[in-house]
Amino acid sequence: DAMVIQNPRYQVTQFGKPVTLSCSQTLNHNVMYWYQQKSSQAPKLLFHYYDKDFNNEADTPDNFQSRRPNTSFCFLDIRSPGLGDAAMYLCATSRDSASYEQYFGPGTRLTVT
Amino acid sequence: DAKTTQPPSMDCAEGRAANLPCNHSTISGNEYVYWYRQIHSQGPQYIIHGLKNNETNEMASLIITEDRKSSTLILPHATLRDTAVYYCIVTRNAGNMLTFGGGTRLMVKP
Repeated sequence: DAMVIQNPRYQVTQFGKPVTLSCSQTLNHNVMYWYQQKSSQAPKLLFHYYDKDFNNEADTPDNFQSRRPNTSFCFLDIRSPGLGDAAMYLCATSRDSASYEQYFGPGTRLTVT
Repeated sequence: DAKTTQPPSMDCAEGRAANLPCNHSTISGNEYVYWYRQIHSQGPQYIIHGLKNNETNEMASLIITEDRKSSTLILPHATLRDTAVYYCIVTRNAGNMLTFGGGTRLMVKP
């Protein structure tokens, strides 16, 4: 089945140690998104790509970066994780900017020790 | 995007209809009403969307008031698997961005 895949599902990193989260999609969608969801809160958009065009939300910390080497893959890099970055990170896709639906992956739960 | 207001939680008996309200009094003419849900430990899932007409699909029905300032998501026969947080989102299109509000935590009880 076509889908959005996130690996790993659970990631533990140390305070200040760079970490990369991965997302892949078999839907061949043009747009990919990264959301952060802290405990008991709603998902919050960090950034998104229209194809190779990167769009950063104004309040996304500089500590967060993203790469999209090709249509299928997108990475979230956290350069120096702090305790406050512990959260569920959700990847999503949509066919294009006019789509009415976003398809979400299962998320990666990040723990910072 | 217009802001939405939803009750923080609701209960529903299994097999009964679940009616989830959403207020969006500042909605613009070109903004759609979207509903997503998030089952525990999963990513959000699209349910339905509409502009001004009522909509129905295999999952739910969406009733939008004539002035478009509020809407109701109806799950006609709720099951235990419908227990989730339901988000009402108003935006021009979901392919642009989704701004999630507080949502309604629906608990379906046996």
